[in-house]
Amino acid sequence: DAGVTQSPTHLIKTRGQQVTLRCSPKSGHDTVSWYQQALGQGPQFIFQYYEEEERQRGNFPDRFSGHQFPNYSSELNVNALLLGDSALYLCASSLKRNSGRVTGELFFGEGSRLTVL
Amino acid sequence: AQSVTQLDSHVSVSEGTPVLLRCNYSSSYSPSLFWYVQHPNKGLQLLLKYTSAATLVKGINGFEAEFKKSETSFHLTKPSAHMSDAAEYFCVVTPLYNQGGKLIFGQGTELSVKP
Repeated sequence: DAGVTQSPTHLIKTRGQQVTLRCSPKSGHDTVSWYQQALGQGPQFIFQYYEEEERQRGNFPDRFSGHQFPNYSSELNVNALLLGDSALYLCASSLKRNSGRVTGELFFGEGSRLTVL
Repeated sequence: AQSVTQLDSHVSVSEGTPVLLRCNYSSSYSPSLFWYVQHPNKGLQLLLKYTSAATLVKGINGFEAEFKKSETSFHLTKPSAHMSDAAEYFCVVTPLYNQGGKLIFGQGTELSVKP
């Protein structure tokens, strides 16, 4: 059973460029969350997708956007990259919702490490 | 609002000695609390979670944590450290009513284990 898979694992961009990161959730999961982990910091919540809609959002600018596809996979897009966007981007998937709530464990992928020069 | 404070950024122990990683939390709601571990270049793995049942929670790899409401603490312990325990540990809080929603992570504690 494949866990959460993310691609690419590493990438380098320059300031002002745009980037797209991809995530496939664990089999049977339908909710995907994205986190940004700067070097030496704990992960910070970007947003969560369920039923192809953004359900919750953290304190990130509109340059950060996402999408969820009918097969539950997800993309994170970042426009107009800044040096400060350099970080490990983690995707997490959740068990199916029960009565509208997400319960249980979040399963994390190994992340996509973005370097902005 | 919720937050967690990990009281030590780095802890060093000798193999075979006890481990104590400290975490205090703040939450406006009944909290759900977690400890996650992150090995180098790896994703986050759940060690254990508290969801208002037993206050002493047992996790994987011999770790356990005790929820103390009066002290707003959720410290992680292990009786005997192993070399493979060397990693970054994160204390995490989220409202109990929305466990799978936004997680609030602490800054992390790096655990070093000396032979």
